[in-house]
Amino acid sequence: DVKVTQSSRYLVKRTGEKVFLECVQDMDHENMFWYRQDPGLGLRLIYFSYDVKMKEKGDIPEGYSVSREKKERFSLILESASTNQTSMYLCASSPTRDGPYEQYFGPGTRLTVT
Amino acid sequence: GQNIDQPTEMTATEGAIVQINCTYQTSGFNGLFWYQQHAGEAPTFLSYNVLDGLEEKGRFSSFLSRSKGYSYLLLKELQMKDSASYLCAVVDSNYQLIWGAGTKLIIKP
Repeated sequence: DVKVTQSSRYLVKRTGEKVFLECVQDMDHENMFWYRQDPGLGLRLIYFSYDVKMKEKGDIPEGYSVSREKKERFSLILESASTNQTSMYLCASSPTRDGPYEQYFGPGTRLTVT
Repeated sequence: GQNIDQPTEMTATEGAIVQINCTYQTSGFNGLFWYQQHAGEAPTFLSYNVLDGLEEKGRFSSFLSRSKGYSYLLLKELQMKDSASYLCAVVDSNYQLIWGAGTKLIIKP
């Protein structure tokens, strides 16, 4: 079974702090994604990556950056956390970019910025 | 622009049948996914349709009409554990997933 893990289930940070969210997948998937999910808005894509050291902006990249130094790990960074970044953050992976493959999700990190 | 529409919330009775609709307008189409998401948990895959017609998988079926930009998820013999949000996602011409906001399904005894 594909397993996607995220470093924390719950996180509370203060405004202005730098926040790191880590995601690891164990199925040698090429694609990895970071989403945020807010009530009534569905899943919104922040960043994605098709390969090591590659990154692409999604629909809402402002205030975020990412890092993919190893194939299995994709990190989301909030450079200076703000209260409007309070949300559920979901990481996902899929096999390759050559087709409409199912995305496998991690359990999510519920981030609260105070 | 790209748009996916689903009802925000639906209520159904245990043992009954419910149909959750999804309409879409996207730049290109390479299939449609349905995911289930229980409260506080990650979405999990239910079905994928790329050709017109009905795909049945146990109590769950998914239908697609590409010409109408329309899909539905049909849940039969509803159980309390089916209370969840159901997410529709369309694969666009760049193989990106465009997500609907989800439909919260409430099952009553």
